[in-house]
Amino acid sequence: DAKTTQPPSMDCAEGRAANLPCNHSTISGNEYVYWYRQIHSQGPQYIIHGLKNNETNEMASLIITEDRKSSTLILPHATLRDTAVYYCIVPTGTASKLTFGTGTRLQVTL
Amino acid sequence: GAVVSQHPSWVICKSGTSVKIECRSLDFQATTMFWYRQFPKQSLMLMATSNEGSKATYEQGVEKDKFLINHASLTLSTLTVTSAHPEDSSFYICSARHFLNTEAFFGQGTRLTVV
Repeated sequence: DAKTTQPPSMDCAEGRAANLPCNHSTISGNEYVYWYRQIHSQGPQYIIHGLKNNETNEMASLIITEDRKSSTLILPHATLRDTAVYYCIVPTGTASKLTFGTGTRLQVTL
Repeated sequence: GAVVSQHPSWVICKSGTSVKIECRSLDFQATTMFWYRQFPKQSLMLMATSNEGSKATYEQGVEKDKFLINHASLTLSTLTVTSAHPEDSSFYICSARHFLNTEAFFGQGTRLTVV
């Protein structure tokens, strides 16, 4: 089962791009990478997921390295409302369970 | 994104009573639902995984007789905390997924306080 490693915290100035890294060096060929975020006292919010190609949606972009051992979530223009804990998850087991690690606490400042 | 609704948002109950929390997928059929709990300043901890019409699979250390999970339809799962005690006070969150390798969506959570 692939495990993920994220920095515990990051700061970003409002309006700048926030680049959140994630290492998943033991990921296997058919395992996806998912990103969620949790704003204080709310349920997690789905952001994006990918397998091997880079992905983009209205919220963010996901860049996956060619060897798939790491990925970066990019919030192109961070706002104060993007302050949250961001989780990079590789689902595990036959049920593809979403197991949450400690994530990265992103603080967006003025 | 798809909508998952949890009810109630918060509940206070007396020690020894049981509490039921509902999780509904409003605009899709959820073949799999997950239940989590989260203590203050900690990450989400997976409690169990349930597939519609099947018994739930509980994570190690989670008492299945205390946390009863029912996933009787493709849009509804319930978690019943039986004989609740103050140490069961926590934030309970459900998640629903349509198919494998698709995104799961989360409810807004239920804050349970046992007094």
